[in-house]
Amino acid sequence: DAKTTQPPSMDCAEGRAANLPCNHSTISGNEYVYWYRQIHSQGPQYIIHGLKNNETNEMASLIITEDRKSSTLILPHATLRDTAVYYCIVINAGGTSYGKLTFGQGTILTVHP
Amino acid sequence: DVKVTQSSRYLVKRTGEKVFLECVQDMDHENMFWYRQDPGLGLRLIYFSYDVKMKEKGDIPEGYSVSREKKERFSLILESASTNQTSMYLCASRYRDEQYFGPGTRLTVT
Repeated sequence: DAKTTQPPSMDCAEGRAANLPCNHSTISGNEYVYWYRQIHSQGPQYIIHGLKNNETNEMASLIITEDRKSSTLILPHATLRDTAVYYCIVINAGGTSYGKLTFGQGTILTVHP
Repeated sequence: DVKVTQSSRYLVKRTGEKVFLECVQDMDHENMFWYRQDPGLGLRLIYFSYDVKMKEKGDIPEGYSVSREKKERFSLILESASTNQTSMYLCASRYRDEQYFGPGTRLTVT
């Protein structure tokens, strides 16, 4: 699976959009981009995933560049409860080895009042 | 909404005790997983199960066993707890490549 690079931390004001970048320059054609987050002392939570088209759900939007080498997770109106570690991972369309997830260091997003 | 529950949020056990961690999911998912999460080491897969009575070792199975007698329930067993098994234990069930996690059990072995 391709490796991803994320900034270690970001800040955002409550009510503003939070834009979290992820680089995955070695991504291959059949690999999806997945985003999870982990709020302190809780289990990880699936957010969204995409292959090459932009995706939106009730939690967030995912913008994938045309060359697929990077993506941005957008939380349109961040709240204090969005403070968490956000993980960007790349998963082969055929499925992960055993289906396991491997998270990197992620981005610590802090939403300020 | 998918719901994955774990039997305890916090657990304190003594060295040598047998420990049972229970996980239940309510979405009829076939695949279930047990991970542990430690600072600096990230998420590590202990065992997974792709069907009732089926199990496969993950990356760090030593000192653990599992049981899956019913589709909705996946149990992690520490046969003889040791201090290096102090950790956050996370159970997950999987639908396609989306994994849904329980709240975690923070186990302390003294």
